[in-house]
Amino acid sequence: DQQVKQNSPSLSVQEGRISILNCDYTNSMFDYFLWYKKYPAEGPTFLISISSIKDKNEDGRFTVFLNKSAKHLSLHIVPSQPGDSAVYFCAASEAGANSKLTFGKGITLSVRP
Amino acid sequence: DTAVSQTPKYLVTQMGNDKSIKCEQNLGHDTMYWYKQDSKKFLKIMFSYNNKELIINETVPNRFSPKSPDKAHLNLHINSLELGDSAVYFCASSQGGDSYNEQFFGPGTRLTVL
Repeated sequence: DQQVKQNSPSLSVQEGRISILNCDYTNSMFDYFLWYKKYPAEGPTFLISISSIKDKNEDGRFTVFLNKSAKHLSLHIVPSQPGDSAVYFCAASEAGANSKLTFGKGITLSVRP
Repeated sequence: DTAVSQTPKYLVTQMGNDKSIKCEQNLGHDTMYWYKQDSKKFLKIMFSYNNKELIINETVPNRFSPKSPDKAHLNLHINSLELGDSAVYFCASSQGGDSYNEQFFGPGTRLTVL
């Protein structure tokens, strides 16, 4: 039962252009959403998050958009850089103490120089 | 100066064996986790400990037993290894057990069961 879905396994974009990574979820109890970035042979690292009370959160080149009615969020990277090439995981959690993160299976982003 | 470290990085073993994976964090965090990333690439929580107390225990076979000797360590012991246990196991830590608290991951341990 995939509660967090990243349906596109990969994305390739040109350096300097925008990368848009999509994520859908099915659990309406999710109220906090995160993106993690992972390089080969390393663990995931936190990138950006958004609470369900917001529809946008921006941090430098990274912006996350949340559409609660559509149960959809997206990560925008602009401008994309070759160092952004990595696997990006979308994750979500319900409210409450000691809540767990539910991850999608990731999208491999390749930024071409 | 690694924040979350795991040993070993690679582990190849035969079915039926018992093995352990060690995890240590030097961030002073009070919560630690074990995740499994299977062949389908999903990253799934297995356990979490807060101040050495088990908080999250997903539907994991009881062949898997986490041990937290202190706040800085969370080891994973696996008995009677099976082929399906082959995966990458990630340890993580955070200050506080809420999902709002950023989790820091170790580099992973690739377990291969032959």
